[in-house]
Amino acid sequence: DTGVSQDPRHKITKRGQNVTFRCDPISEHNRLYWYRQTLGQGPEFLTYFQNEAQLEKSRLLSDRFSAERPKGSFSTLEIQRTEQGDSAMYLCASSSNREAHEAFFGQGTRLTVV
Amino acid sequence: DAKTTQPTSMDCAEGRAANLPCNHSTISGNEYVYWYRQIHSQGPQYIIHGLKNNETNEMASLIITEDRKSSTLILPHAKLRYTAVYSCIVFSWGQNFVFGPGTRLSVLP
Repeated sequence: DTGVSQDPRHKITKRGQNVTFRCDPISEHNRLYWYRQTLGQGPEFLTYFQNEAQLEKSRLLSDRFSAERPKGSFSTLEIQRTEQGDSAMYLCASSSNREAHEAFFGQGTRLTVV
Repeated sequence: DAKTTQPTSMDCAEGRAANLPCNHSTISGNEYVYWYRQIHSQGPQYIIHGLKNNETNEMASLIITEDRKSSTLILPHAKLRYTAVYSCIVFSWGQNFVFGPGTRLSVLP
């Protein structure tokens, strides 16, 4: 499978704990995006990387959220001191510079904060 | 905020064509129209995109009005597995995809 892969697929955590998700984009895709999706809503943009540079962050990304893409390949999204409102599906997508408009999404990580 | 408006839900009989409308009256000249679908519990899947001309690929056809203020996604011969939420998005270089709630299409046997 050469698509975007995310790990884990599901995560249940207690309120106040830290969680980290991983995204492996399609090989050689320069652009990597993180989205969050709650039930019944469309995905909401969180942040975007061009190679290792984080070029844009949504105001949805509070200071408890941090994303990295240290080598311009895989990316991690960390949520510190999780809150129940953080419960959502976290989606990762990637695209190439040449076809920047055609983003391929992963299956997502479903986070439940109890 | 999403720049598009779509019906909340639609039904389509299996084997018939599904026509999903989208209004994007504030679209600017350099913005493309994109369609994605999202099957329950999966990530969005790219379907098709266009700028001015009508487009067709192996999955669907996209009809864009001459004034570009609206478009229609056509899924020929709808199958049960096409049941999903279909999102119409306007996008240009330098932007990020802004998803609305989309249209929930139910393909009925």
